[in-house]
Amino acid sequence: AQTVTQSQPEMSVQEAETVTLSCTYDTSESDYYLFWYKQPPSRQMILVIRQEAYKQQNATENRFSVNFQKAAKSFSLKISDSQLGDAAMYFCAYRNIYNQGGKLIFGQGTELSVKP
Amino acid sequence: DAGVTQSPTHLIKTRGQQVTLRCSPKSGHDTVSWYQQALGQGPQFIFQYYEEEERQRGNFPDRFSGHQFPNYSSELNVNALLLGDSALYLCASSAGLEEFEFLNTGELFFGEGSRLTVL
Repeated sequence: AQTVTQSQPEMSVQEAETVTLSCTYDTSESDYYLFWYKQPPSRQMILVIRQEAYKQQNATENRFSVNFQKAAKSFSLKISDSQLGDAAMYFCAYRNIYNQGGKLIFGQGTELSVKP
Repeated sequence: DAGVTQSPTHLIKTRGQQVTLRCSPKSGHDTVSWYQQALGQGPQFIFQYYEEEERQRGNFPDRFSGHQFPNYSSELNVNALLLGDSALYLCASSAGLEEFEFLNTGELFFGEGSRLTVL
């Protein structure tokens, strides 16, 4: 069975600084998707960034980028130029490539606080 | 364009009662998944509905059941409520389950959830 582990329950960053959130996963599959979701106090999960395992290039979305190490089964999220609005719970998630629109396996989450 | 909507937003029940939660998917989406998120935890997959049938199920007892209607909206029913069922219940929608779309990431769009408290 696939598992996702986030070992940092809480992280803190100064506004405008850079922070990296860690995620490791376990799977026997060779093709899959990885995601980072943000959950603000409003509770709605918002997709931040996704990575296809068959792509070697790390995904980037504006201030958000990932460091995908397939052999090490590691998938960290880097947030550059942190803003107050980035404060939220962040969840790493895994999905089998053939599992369309279905089962996401989430980590336990990392609560990010941003200090002004 | 309305996103995923869920109702009610909050509700309180007592042990042994039954509850029904409702979800309307994002416009154009035909697949609905339900997740349970206990306090301080990541969401856990309950089940997925497509074409009015349950297609996948997570590790949840039969007390958890669901339904999908012809307009793609969905209900989650939980019978014989336990204190441990207290959680945020999230609905997520996506478009398509066709295998030929396997390269489509099938991005999930989430609602704001229904907060269930069981006393």
